[in-house]
Amino acid sequence: GAVVSQHPSRVICKSGTSVKIECRSLDFQATTMFWYRQFPKQSLMLMATSNEGSKATYEQGVEKDKFLINHASLTLSTLTVTSAHPEDSSFYICSARDLGASGGPSSYNEQFFGPGTRLTVL
Amino acid sequence: DQQVKQNSPSLSVQEGRISILNCDYTNSMFDYFLWYKKYPAEGPTFLISISSIKDKNEDGRFTVFLNKSAKHLSLHIVPSQPGDSAVYFCAATAYSGAGSYQLTFGKGTKLSVIP
Repeated sequence: GAVVSQHPSRVICKSGTSVKIECRSLDFQATTMFWYRQFPKQSLMLMATSNEGSKATYEQGVEKDKFLINHASLTLSTLTVTSAHPEDSSFYICSARDLGASGGPSSYNEQFFGPGTRLTVL
Repeated sequence: DQQVKQNSPSLSVQEGRISILNCDYTNSMFDYFLWYKKYPAEGPTFLISISSIKDKNEDGRFTVFLNKSAKHLSLHIVPSQPGDSAVYFCAATAYSGAGSYQLTFGKGTKLSVIP
């Protein structure tokens, strides 16, 4: 299947610093990438949807100025957690949808996830 | 408000037996359902899906059943193999406007298949 990578896999930072997480589709082009967050023993929660070349669409309750998303190419999206605080500690995971994916809900069959990034803010 | 519920956080099954993972949902607008499988340190991978116009979809050892009236779906794995040990996420989609579909996940069920 298609491969999506994330870097770094794990990051520990001090409170107040910014952290950038990269999400890459390695063997396909993705017009749409999704960013999720998962707290312990909770569901994956969609944070934002990013489309290549346009502004990301954020879910209700997600601060767009705190979680900056850039999707500058068909294979790369970045999530920057600005001025991170301990409550931002979580597992961040991205997914990408193949450019050739069909429209409609069945396109989620063709959504590929990265391995995730564990962020710990001290 | 948890719209997709997986009430069993874990399940242990003997190798060769049937594994049944359950999922309930509350949003009647959900019209497409998916199961994802996740190994440690890896992202979820798509396993099987079902449209709301069907009540069963089968793919090899994996079968998903949908009971719309009960707002319940289940994933059956027969026979279970040790390699099936993973966390299984149930997910559902609903049209959210402007040609996009919102995907909502459950919390996951950790399946352990005992050799």
